[in-house]
Amino acid sequence: KNQVEQSPQSLIILEGKNCTLQCNYTVSPFSNLRWYKQDTGRGPVSLTIMTFSENTKSNGRYTATLDADTKQSSLHITASQLSDSASYICVVSASSNDYKLSFGAGTTVTVRA
Amino acid sequence: GAVVSQHPSRVICKSGTSVKIECRSLDFQATTMFWYRQFPKQSLMLMATSNEGSKATYEQGVEKDKFLINHASLTLSTLTVTSAHPEDSSFYICSAMGGGIQYFGAGTRLSVL
Repeated sequence: KNQVEQSPQSLIILEGKNCTLQCNYTVSPFSNLRWYKQDTGRGPVSLTIMTFSENTKSNGRYTATLDADTKQSSLHITASQLSDSASYICVVSASSNDYKLSFGAGTTVTVRA
Repeated sequence: GAVVSQHPSRVICKSGTSVKIECRSLDFQATTMFWYRQFPKQSLMLMATSNEGSKATYEQGVEKDKFLINHASLTLSTLTVTSAHPEDSSFYICSAMGGGIQYFGAGTRLSVL
């Protein structure tokens, strides 16, 4: 059973609108949670990394939140652009040295003009 | 930031041939590199952990004789898909460990005819 669940599986939004992606995890122990953006046919690119003590972290128009008590995270995209069309992957690390990562299946975001 | 280069980005080959994929850490040394496989609309699946100067550790269900891994230096790991068949067609992604964080390559799309 996948220890990292993402929702929705896919979504379509209009350019300029906001959207929020969800990530629930059961990975334990917990070291950090990161969100990646993966363009079609490309490798994942890191957007944010959050440790246990961090509740929110921003990277430009991307804002991630983390509730370590409920084991939930979200990624909010503000004022979406066409270039935001990609798969967004939630990844949880169980160790401080990144040896074991648990990957979500990703949310595919399509931004339409 | 840390850069991981993966080559080639795309390869098309005939069934029965062997294909080598290179993964290089460009601006840091990586004693550990990882190889992943990704099917369409699925999350990354760890195939093996590559340690410089020693044998790779393969995940359960991954054939070590089919997927040969060599980590001959601190900046280079190679994955050779031997006697490739159409079912080996997939997206292969490497990552390199730098400062306790995995940095991902851009991936290699393998198509076996």
